[in-house]
Amino acid sequence: GIQVEQSPPDLILQEGANSTLRCNFSDSVNNLQWFHQNPWGQLINLFYIPSGTKQNGRLSATTVATERYSLLYISSSQTTDSGVYFCAVGFQIQGAQKLVFGQGTRLTINP
Amino acid sequence: DARVTQTPRHKVTEMGQEVTMRCQPILGHNTVFWYRQTMMQGLELLAYFRNRAPLDDSGMPKDRFSAEMPDATLATLKIQPSEPRDSAVYFCASGLVQWYQETQYFGPGTRLLVL
Repeated sequence: GIQVEQSPPDLILQEGANSTLRCNFSDSVNNLQWFHQNPWGQLINLFYIPSGTKQNGRLSATTVATERYSLLYISSSQTTDSGVYFCAVGFQIQGAQKLVFGQGTRLTINP
Repeated sequence: DARVTQTPRHKVTEMGQEVTMRCQPILGHNTVFWYRQTMMQGLELLAYFRNRAPLDDSGMPKDRFSAEMPDATLATLKIQPSEPRDSAVYFCASGLVQWYQETQYFGPGTRLLVL
């Protein structure tokens, strides 16, 4: 099956720093999403980005589908950005997207 | 704002007992997914539905797990009998397929502990 690898597994930064999280995937996909799991366990969808670049405030994401990777950028980090960031790639089966998740990057932002 | 709801939020039970988890998808969404999250395996897809029809449940242990959608506002995941290795957080997510795009929205999860 499809493999999803995220790096780094852990990242500790000071408030105000910038960070780049990477997601590599092993096969062609037609869906890629980034999620943030906050310290209370809630999974929040950040981006639907099978290709191209999107920005939402301090967060932006870029997917290069031909090279099978995606990057999530967080600028001017805040303590509320702490948590685990998951990349999930998907392919369509019978009209629904089957997502495969990476193991996540645990981000800790210290004040 | 619209969100996926799950009940119960926490469940502690003894091995061998039946466990039922419920999910109310976002109104108007036509896909529903069940995921399980553990430290060892991460997030795994158990089953999913489109327009209430089950499409794939290959991620579930068939002998003890079952997933159903009795109507468009309710999805259930049952474990019978439960085992300690079923301890995990179970997430429900719903989505809407539009123009071949689908974003999944997750509920808060049910944290299950089987003793």
